[in-house]
Amino acid sequence: SQQGEEDPQALSIQEGENATMNCSYKTSINNLQWYRQNSGRGLVHLILIRSNEREKHSGRLRVTLDTSKKSSSLLITASRAADTASYFCATDPSATQGGSEKLVFGKGTKLTVNP
Amino acid sequence: EAQVTQNPRYLITVTGKKLTVTCSQNMNHEYMSWYRQDPGLGLRQIYYSMNVEVTDKGDVPEGYKVSRKEKRNFPLILESPSPNQTSLYFCASSLSTLGPQHFGDGTRLSIL
Repeated sequence: SQQGEEDPQALSIQEGENATMNCSYKTSINNLQWYRQNSGRGLVHLILIRSNEREKHSGRLRVTLDTSKKSSSLLITASRAADTASYFCATDPSATQGGSEKLVFGKGTKLTVNP
Repeated sequence: EAQVTQNPRYLITVTGKKLTVTCSQNMNHEYMSWYRQDPGLGLRQIYYSMNVEVTDKGDVPEGYKVSRKEKRNFPLILESPSPNQTSLYFCASSLSTLGPQHFGDGTRLSIL
């Protein structure tokens, strides 16, 4: 079953507005990562947040992590048309359980920023 | 420029005709992996490699083979492709198994 689930599946906003995407996961993790995918292209790593961190910023991106709720959010402030893309979270569900180490990706949130 | 290069980018072929998708990275990464991306199913790992001559199955390895003879290259082989392998394929590399992944631009395969 999917470890990370993004919510909403799709989001449409106007340029200048903020966009918030959420990721929920099931098991303990060491870190959580967010990626962006422009249509038909490869995923691009945006930010990594460790389990002992609560918030991290990178430019217009703000990521929060709540390990008690097993959830993370990605906030894009002052969105631009160029932010139109799909956004994925990735977790490492087995890292603390002695299993094989690998990232598990969610199905993504498709963000459309209208000019 | 740091990059992961996949070839070909697009391929239409027929059932049963062996094909290889190449993947090369120039970042001296030890970890490489292959994913397929399908609508509604997200990104699923096919195979991964933690170093030269060390490969292991991911979540959906059936019908695929890989090899890792050199650190920089990690080809994906479809010995007898079938229509259910029609998909968008991505190669990725990273310094560590759980670190930030660098993805190639993808290979869109259509098996008729």
